[in-house]
Amino acid sequence: DAGITQSPRHKVTETGTPVTLRCHQTENHRYMYWYRQDPGHGLRLIHYSYGVKDTDKGEVSDGYSVSRSKTEDFLLTLESATSSQTSVYFCAISDVGQLKNIQYFGAGTRLSVL
Amino acid sequence: DQQVKQNSPSLSVQEGRISILNCDYTNSMFDYFLWYKKYPAEGPTFLISISSIKDKNEDGRFTVFLNKSAKHLSLHIVPSQPGDSAVYFCAASARSGGSNYKLTFGKGTLLTVNP
Repeated sequence: DAGITQSPRHKVTETGTPVTLRCHQTENHRYMYWYRQDPGHGLRLIHYSYGVKDTDKGEVSDGYSVSRSKTEDFLLTLESATSSQTSVYFCAISDVGQLKNIQYFGAGTRLSVL
Repeated sequence: DQQVKQNSPSLSVQEGRISILNCDYTNSMFDYFLWYKKYPAEGPTFLISISSIKDKNEDGRFTVFLNKSAKHLSLHIVPSQPGDSAVYFCAASARSGGSNYKLTFGKGTLLTVNP
């Protein structure tokens, strides 16, 4: 998985509780992304980061926040989890230069909000 | 508004035959296209890509064709093997301000290769 670790791999939580998912990379890549995958929707971008402390919204950012205080770590926070946020979450990384368009994915975090 | 469309949710082929997965897009700003393969309980894995200035890219058993005028790309797998059974995602890249590039994914096609 290209030096990408997502934690936890599985989590069950209750509606209204805060949840933080972590993505850690050892590739020193500049760009990091959070996606969610749901049946019938493919992969949808939640937030992305183009450098330390530089982040921007994706197409499904409502209810999510992110932080990147170090190159290697990108955190996704659900401030108050809802059942609609039950999903599989994937982190991805990409670099600059010729390979800038290719994103490499982690193994995913399966989140269930009850 | 779905900018990248994979109209076939599933495809079944016999081992040794050709698998053809299709993808259509609507945004003319896309300048790079990728295919990812995904096995259950794993993350998507990059498979092959093509720049918008080319019409074909080949890597072993995998070939991607791009028809810009039709806004259509396809992935050919020859010969198909049972290990190719997976969900295949088509993705398109466009610049999103400055030097940022974002991918837009299709919904995926489940390929089943029967022995």
